[in-house]
Amino acid sequence: KAGVTQTPRYLIKTRGQQVTLSCSPISGHRSVSWYQQTPGQGLQFLFEYFSETQRNKGNFPGRFSGRQFSNSRSEMNVSTLELGDSALYLCASRWYPSSYEQYFGPGTRLTVT
Amino acid sequence: GIQVEQSPPDLILQEGANSTLRCNFSDSVNNLQWFHQNPWGQLINLFYIPSGTKQNGRLSATTVATERYSLLYISSSQTTDSGVYFCAVTNLSNDYKLSFGAGTTVTVRA
Repeated sequence: KAGVTQTPRYLIKTRGQQVTLSCSPISGHRSVSWYQQTPGQGLQFLFEYFSETQRNKGNFPGRFSGRQFSNSRSEMNVSTLELGDSALYLCASRWYPSSYEQYFGPGTRLTVT
Repeated sequence: GIQVEQSPPDLILQEGANSTLRCNFSDSVNNLQWFHQNPWGQLINLFYIPSGTKQNGRLSATTVATERYSLLYISSSQTTDSGVYFCAVTNLSNDYKLSFGAGTTVTVRA
């Protein structure tokens, strides 16, 4: 069974631009979560989607948004990029609600210049 | 929210040595996972272990839920074991969100 996939793997953007990242979960997994990893803050939860609905959101500004499609694929969008948004963005999927175990994709490394 | 503390922050080992990584958490958990982050950033699942003991090859893990800690054992370490090891948990009130420790950076020298 294929794992979680994320595209693109690397991205360089300029301050003020916006960016869209994509995540395809493991087949059959309907819950998708997003995390941000930075050297200073570590791994932090962004949001979770299930059945095309955002179930939960972490403590991030409204510039961070996401959505989920009927095939469970998810996208996250960051508008008006700031230098501090440079990070590794990780997507995870799980077999909600039957299991709490989460599986992560390879990540998208975003650099904002 | 739930607090997760990992120790030690850094560990340097000679190839072939054994080691123990510790994870303490501040509340009851319904999920505890150990991950190994590879050099490219991907989090590789090692164990899903909210309680009990599991083994997978040279790695094993034990979670004592009543005392709020988990241990990851690496035996006969190899250079490929190098990397950052994370412990992450969820609890009933936040079952969607993994709370991560700061990680243990393991360096295995040949």
